[in-house]
Amino acid sequence: DSGVTQTPKHLITATGQRVTLRCSPRSGDLSVYWYQQSLDQGLQFLIQYYNGEERAKGNILERFSAQQFPDLHSELNLSSLELGDSALYFCASSVDRAGPEETQYFGPGTRLLVL
Amino acid sequence: GNSVTQMEGPVTLSEEAFLTINCTYTATGYPSLFWYVQYPGEGLQLLLKATKADDKGSNKGFEATYRKETTSFHLEKGSVQVSDSAVYFCALSVRTGNQFYFGTGTSLTVIP
Repeated sequence: DSGVTQTPKHLITATGQRVTLRCSPRSGDLSVYWYQQSLDQGLQFLIQYYNGEERAKGNILERFSAQQFPDLHSELNLSSLELGDSALYFCASSVDRAGPEETQYFGPGTRLLVL
Repeated sequence: GNSVTQMEGPVTLSEEAFLTINCTYTATGYPSLFWYVQYPGEGLQLLLKATKADDKGSNKGFEATYRKETTSFHLEKGSVQVSDSAVYFCALSVRTGNQFYFGTGTSLTVIP
């Protein structure tokens, strides 16, 4: 158990809908990262938040957005869903201090299926 | 820029065979290097890491040495087991902003 929790574990929805994925980082971790994993694209970095502020952006679509709240949990919002958005969405967290503690710890993922 | 290149899979080995999964990187500055493992139906787990040149990371019989001169971090195990069947990801972290860059993953299947 990495200490990172994600809800829900599975999500089935229809095209055009909007969903929210939730992530709680490990206790003490300030950074949260979101990744999308699909069969054809591999593991894609979406976005990183550090202590409530956006720090880095990867291949995140404009239909997707995220935020990190004062209690450090994060939500990833996916809107106008398309079939191609079906994937595993992982959250990871880290202390975000250079040195031996800079490891990212991954949650179990949310499997999204868009029908 | 920063990137990681892993050997293409899938890799299929017999139990007790020797495993090598190649990983090379390009990075600005001095990155830390990682191997993560993803078992079927699960999230990624840290397998081992090395934070500076010539460091050797090791865990569960797996080893990888941070080679700055060849910009490589190859994963090795002397004798694989069926339970090692998983997808292995090489990754690097650059200190500025603690961003991670992952390789595409290498699927390993070990057959009895």
